[in-house]
Amino acid sequence: GQNIDQPTEMTATEGAIVQINCTYQTSGFNGLFWYQQHAGEAPTFLSYNVLDGLEEKGRFSSFLSRSKGYSYLLLKELQMKDSASYLCAVVNYGQNFVFGPGTRLSVLP
Amino acid sequence: DAGITQSPRHKVTETGTPVTLRCHQTENHRYMYWYRQDPGHGLRLIHYSYGVKDTDKGEVSDGYSVSRSKTEDFLLTLESATSSQTSVYFCAISEGSTNYGYTFGSGTRLTVV
Repeated sequence: GQNIDQPTEMTATEGAIVQINCTYQTSGFNGLFWYQQHAGEAPTFLSYNVLDGLEEKGRFSSFLSRSKGYSYLLLKELQMKDSASYLCAVVNYGQNFVFGPGTRLSVLP
Repeated sequence: DAGITQSPRHKVTETGTPVTLRCHQTENHRYMYWYRQDPGHGLRLIHYSYGVKDTDKGEVSDGYSVSRSKTEDFLLTLESATSSQTSVYFCAISEGSTNYGYTFGSGTRLTVV
């Protein structure tokens, strides 16, 4: 089977750092994506990891451990506009994306 | 940004009626996908296409059919709509290389009453 787990909801304060975890069990692995989705809008690309380690892009970083089936998205210097859902997606051997349920992040002033 | 549009953006239909959703792209991407998004389930793949007239089923394909007669258009048909098909439907396109990821359309909110 294929399963991706993420926390359902998280809350953090403006200016803080938050880490959103993703664990996965899929039929093969060809990469892991993180997407951001604001309410009522389409998901948009944030990051891509295919090798173990940390990928940094501005305020956002994503980490991957293939041996542990684990990734996290790190958001620094949180802003109100970061309030959104964050989707973890794994590309399986069929080259299709398997999405997690998403984590709804609320950033409070 | 990639050119991808979905129509309609919102639709209310009655149980038992056929419904067709359209996805149109201007990027000449080979791969196109239909997903549905429901609370607690995330995005689930309905059908996908890897070329004109080449389509395959995803994990939740029952009750849905697709057609792709041109590179730019991918149609999703609910043959006889049911209340369980009330959802937000997203189309996505991809060049095919996994590191490019998907680009999503703005979504269609479908309500079956």
